[in-house]
Amino acid sequence: NAGVMQNPRHLVRRRGQEARLRCSPMKGHSHVYWYRQLPEEGLKFMVYLQKENIIDESGMPKERFSAEFPKEGPSILRIQQVVRGDSAAYFCASSPIRGSSNEQFFGPGTRLTVL
Amino acid sequence: AQTVTQSQPEMSVQEAETVTLSCTYDTSESDYYLFWYKQPPSRQMILVIRQEAYKQQNATENRFSVNFQKAAKSFSLKISDSQLGDAAMYFCASNTGGFKTIFGAGTRLFVKA
Repeated sequence: NAGVMQNPRHLVRRRGQEARLRCSPMKGHSHVYWYRQLPEEGLKFMVYLQKENIIDESGMPKERFSAEFPKEGPSILRIQQVVRGDSAAYFCASSPIRGSSNEQFFGPGTRLTVL
Repeated sequence: AQTVTQSQPEMSVQEAETVTLSCTYDTSESDYYLFWYKQPPSRQMILVIRQEAYKQQNATENRFSVNFQKAAKSFSLKISDSQLGDAAMYFCASNTGGFKTIFGAGTRLFVKA
């Protein structure tokens, strides 16, 4: 059973460009979570999605950031007009429909560098 | 609101010795879960151990064990017989209702040979 997959692993963008980060949850998992980790900090929750629905986006910046989890295909975290402060590691996690332990399984992360 | 606090930015332990990493949390929920994650230089988040709040017995996983003090809202991680491969960032985290997980700021563990 493949784990959570994220791509790309590393992404370099210039200021003003768009960044698209992809996450494929574990097989059988229908819940996806995105987290951001700034250098030397812990992970900060951004958004929680189920298929075709955003459940909680309380951690998402109000502008330039959006997320989706379509019926088919991976979840996408999209950052428009990136700025240097967006440089961070972005982690995706997934969980099954009703996990008994509430454990979220993490992907390897995408490291975004904004030049 | 949930909060998780790790008051030790760095800790150091001699190989084969025991070290304890501290964590306190705050939540108004009665049903919640607590976790310790390890993040090596590869940055992969690896679950070390988890504890259900309704269970009084402390969780153990081989060399890793926790001291869960529910009334004090304390959740420390003990690593016994420390190995060089244990060197990493360790994050304490809490989760309620299967939604967002709240992480502490982390403790960097150094293991001396």
